Amino acid sequence: SQQGEEDPQALSIQEGENATMNCSYKTSINNLQWYRQNSGRGLVHLILIRSNEREKHSGRLRVTLDTSKKSSSLLITASRAADTASYFCATATTSGTYKYIFGTGTRLKVLA
Amino acid sequence: GAGVSQSPSNKVTEKGKDVELRCDPISGHTALYWYRQSLGQGLEFLIYFQGNSAPDKSGLPSDRFSAERTGGSVSTLTIQRTQQEDSAVYLCASSSDSGGTDTQYFGPGTRLTVL
Repeated sequence: SQQGEEDPQALSIQEGENATMNCSYKTSINNLQWYRQNSGRGLVHLILIRSNEREKHSGRLRVTLDTSKKSSSLLITASRAADTASYFCATATTSGTYKYIFGTGTRLKVLA
Repeated sequence: GAGVSQSPSNKVTEKGKDVELRCDPISGHTALYWYRQSLGQGLEFLIYFQGNSAPDKSGLPSDRFSAERTGGSVSTLTIQRTQQEDSAVYLCASSSDSGGTDTQYFGPGTRLTVL
């Protein structure tokens, strides 16, 4: 089963509103990353949060990490139509292998 | 180069044929990853390279799939005797760190369609 699962699967909001997406995972992690994907092609890295960090900001993005609950959230403030994309979380586990496990993604649609 | 490149961008093939997908990582990146993404789905890990060796091949779905990396740079993913269920976008990523602590940079992907 997927290590990371995003919630909700789809989200539709008006421009200017905030969007919140959640990611849950199952095993201990080294770090967690959020990516954006437009049009089903290449992914763009947004932000990385390490297991010893609780919150991180980058521009209009705010990521939190709760290792006790094995969950993370991505908040996009003051959303824009250009934020319309799929958002994925990816976890780097501490199991000794160096692969990233991606969640199933949240499809965000920002209406102008 | 400026980023990860992949070729071809699109590939249409007939069932039973072999295909080769190519990935050029960012210069100097030691780690290289292959993923597969079916329509509307998340990314499925296929294989990871550290230099020219592949410590983790656990994601390859069958023995029809193989990958190699030469000179610590270019990687080729080969699918033999393609099946319709192989149709997907194949994404390659590279990173400068192999310890799972660094950002992965993705290529634009190759969209494979098996008729």
